[in-house]
Amino acid sequence: KAGVTQTPRYLIKTRGQQVTLSCSPISGHRSVSWYQQTPGQGLQFLFEYFSETQRNKGNFPGRFSGRQFSNSRSEMNVSTLELGDSALYLCASSYFRDRNSPLHFGNGTRLTVT
Amino acid sequence: AQTVTQSQPEMSVQEAETVTLSCTYDTSESNYYLFWYKQPPSRQMILVIRQEAYKQQNATENRFSVNFQKAAKSFSLKISDSQLGDTAMYFCAYTGTASKLTFGTGTRLQVTL
Repeated sequence: KAGVTQTPRYLIKTRGQQVTLSCSPISGHRSVSWYQQTPGQGLQFLFEYFSETQRNKGNFPGRFSGRQFSNSRSEMNVSTLELGDSALYLCASSYFRDRNSPLHFGNGTRLTVT
Repeated sequence: AQTVTQSQPEMSVQEAETVTLSCTYDTSESNYYLFWYKQPPSRQMILVIRQEAYKQQNATENRFSVNFQKAAKSFSLKISDSQLGDTAMYFCAYTGTASKLTFGTGTRLQVTL
């Protein structure tokens, strides 16, 4: 069974641009979560989607948004990029939303904002 | 808010030896899960072991085991018979009712010959 797939693996953008990252969960998984990883702030929760609905959101500005499609694939969008948005963005999927369903992570998308 | 603290930024252990990584957490919830994740240079976070708070028995997965002290809010990871492939960042994480993971800052483990 294929793991969580994130595309692209690397992105370089300029301040002010917008970017879209993609995540394909493990087949059958319905919950997708996104995390931001930076050297300064560590790993921080962005949002969680289940059945195409955002179920939980972290403490990030409205420039960060996401969505989930009917096939459970998810995208996250960052508008008006800032230098501080440079980070590794990790996607994770699980069967359900409950805590007993372990998260399976992808390899991440490394975003660099110049 | 829940917090997770890992006080050891870096650790080193020789191959075949045993090492213990520390983690403490703070929460007012009574039902929660704790995890240890490993992040090798490939960047993928890999679940190493998990512990349910209401289970008193410490979780074990092959060479990995935890020492869960609920009253002390401590959750340490012991790696026995360390292998070169264990070299990675290790993150302690917590999840409660919010169904999101709160991570510690990580411990970089280097296994040497």
